[in-house]
Amino acid sequence: DTGVSQNPRHKITKRGQNVTFRCDPISEHNRLYWYRQTLGQGPEFLTYFQNEAQLEKSRLLSDRFSAERPKGSFSTLEIQRTEQGDSAMYLCASSVQGAGGPDTQYFGPGTRLTVL
Amino acid sequence: SQQGEEDPQALSIQEGENATMNCSYKTSINNLQWYRQNSGRGLVHLILIRSNEREKHSGRLRVTLDTSKKSSSLLITASRAADTASYFCAPFYSSASKIIFGSGTRLSIRP
Repeated sequence: DTGVSQNPRHKITKRGQNVTFRCDPISEHNRLYWYRQTLGQGPEFLTYFQNEAQLEKSRLLSDRFSAERPKGSFSTLEIQRTEQGDSAMYLCASSVQGAGGPDTQYFGPGTRLTVL
Repeated sequence: SQQGEEDPQALSIQEGENATMNCSYKTSINNLQWYRQNSGRGLVHLILIRSNEREKHSGRLRVTLDTSKKSSSLLITASRAADTASYFCAPFYSSASKIIFGSGTRLSIRP
């Protein structure tokens, strides 16, 4: 079990550029979540997938944000035309959705985005 | 709101003392989880307590759940410097499929 991994760990970009982050969940986990966290706040839910289906998107996720999980394994989160307000830590988590309901989420180390 | 609300927002104690954090939530839950986040890192799952359980232990951690009061508490005994972190509770509702995090409790352990 290698845990949840995220790449890159840090990304610095200029306003207006596009960025893409990758998340590799724990291999047998069917659920994958994306969160955004700013300093001093708890993580904010952005979206989640069950296998390859994107089941829910937060209203926080503007049209500039898109997430995919094409084969039900890794996921990518793309931000187009980045703005300074997008600067945050982007966290990915995975879990197993069983008959008993939502289970423990395992978080990756996060990708810290800085938009200049 | 589906989020848990942690109290206090910040807590500073001497190393070796016990730390208690509380969580309140709004409606009936399926289970409730506690997570820890060290500065600048991802969250780490600490413990899960189901709605039909009242108390659970894991090492120096003790979690209680009072469904009648819609509250939970996390007790860390014999605190260590490494316990310095933010702690979040995560109530899971039967209809929900995601965690709505609160702002957490920031715990500082003084040497």
